[in-house]
Amino acid sequence: DGGITQSPKYLFRKEGQNVTLSCEQNLNHDAMYWYRQDPGQGLRLIYYSQIVNDFQKGDIAEGYSVSREKKESFPLTVTSAQKNPTAFYLCASSGWGALYNEQFFGPGTRLTVL
Amino acid sequence: AQKVTQAQTEISVVEKEDVTLDCVYETRDTTYYLFWYKQPPSGELVFLIRRNSFDEQNEISGRYSWNFQKSTSSFNFTITASQVVDSAVYFCALSEANSGGSNYKLTFGKGTLLTVNP
Repeated sequence: DGGITQSPKYLFRKEGQNVTLSCEQNLNHDAMYWYRQDPGQGLRLIYYSQIVNDFQKGDIAEGYSVSREKKESFPLTVTSAQKNPTAFYLCASSGWGALYNEQFFGPGTRLTVL
Repeated sequence: AQKVTQAQTEISVVEKEDVTLDCVYETRDTTYYLFWYKQPPSGELVFLIRRNSFDEQNEISGRYSWNFQKSTSSFNFTITASQVVDSAVYFCALSEANSGGSNYKLTFGKGTLLTVNP
């Protein structure tokens, strides 16, 4: 079945460590996105990529990095520079170039900093 | 800047009641899209509906209906005869063109937590 997978589902990190969250899609979508969700804050865009080898900062990119070497993969690294990384992270994808941007979401990764 | 406001943080109803979730948006774009997503306790967002700025016709899908009014910049969502399975967080979102004009990102509201009690 087509869809988006994220791993791991739960992730624990010690302060000062970098961690990488995985996001894979087999929907043949060009665009991929990373969002952060905090209680009562809705979804905030971290990074997005419209095409392979290209990505743009979203609203809260500081302390995060991404890569887009393959169409189906868009990993997110949470670096030690991110001051408050504990949150729920959602990956999404959509077709590119369309006016309407229906996004399909993965199941999310819950990151906790110990 | 584009903005989406969902003034209702939490709503609690009893099963079979009708419930309306409010969404008010701000945009300078003349062409835009509005969306509703559902987030059940499992966490994954589920797409419910998309509406473009040129189509103000209301839409009904089973127990769900949407009322889009450009005059008041609102895109409200009504669940008729609510069920316990409708319990979730519901997000309203607005599409936005980036500086290039050819790609779009979503601006989400903060969501409304709907609890339907048996």
